[in-house]
Amino acid sequence: HLVESGGGLVKPGGSLRLSCAASGFNFGDYYMTWIRQAPGKGLQWLSYISRNGDTIYYADSVRGRFTVSRDNARKSMYLQMNSLRADDTAIYYCARDQVLPAGDAFDLWGQGTVVTVSS
Amino acid sequence: DIQMTQSPSSLSASVGDSVTITCRATQTINTQYLNWYQQRPGKAPKLLIYATDTLQSGVPSRFSGSGSGTDFTLTISSLQPDDFATYHCQQSYGNPPTFGGGTKVEVK
Repeated sequence: HLVESGGGLVKPGGSLRLSCAASGFNFGDYYMTWIRQAPGKGLQWLSYISRNGDTIYYADSVRGRFTVSRDNARKSMYLQMNSLRADDTAIYYCARDQVLPAGDAFDLWGQGTVVTVSS
Repeated sequence: DIQMTQSPSSLSASVGDSVTITCRATQTINTQYLNWYQQRPGKAPKLLIYATDTLQSGVPSRFSGSGSGTDFTLTISSLQPDDFATYHCQQSYGNPPTFGGGTKVEVK
């Protein structure tokens, strides 16, 4: 089970911190990701964090503005979003990244939290 | 980045119909790295098929996936009321992972 929180309305240039709380599985055993969906659009992968947080990747569109982190003791992942722009308006999902024998897939998703960037 | 193009972007079908959705990548993808998700209106995506043709636990057998190289397909053999949704393909072969634009399956 994954539950996102922290979304809301923010002005352009503002900041927001999203949280993703996990339950029902051993959070520290999994890579985790953030994925967003702009209104009426497809899914966009944003960021990935390894089990202990030592490996992190970002999409070009958010690198330098967004920071992902995790706290395995709290079974939580976070997304600090700075310098927000109108095109960051989207539903933000956290998802568990299941590493398979080869490849990987996002096998558990939260319900999403809505971020609206508007003046 | 590997671009994923789905076709059609939407389709209309009736309960009992067989439907096929295509996903094309801009470069060859190892079949282990191609996944499909179902997204019902107002809900989060749900993993349907991974590694091209392996059904996620609990997914009905009317769903199937196939393909290789750059071309992949999702087939629903006998559409059920629960299946009217948007379907997304996704590759994890290249970095970053990328999704297709989605195919909306609507009631005819």
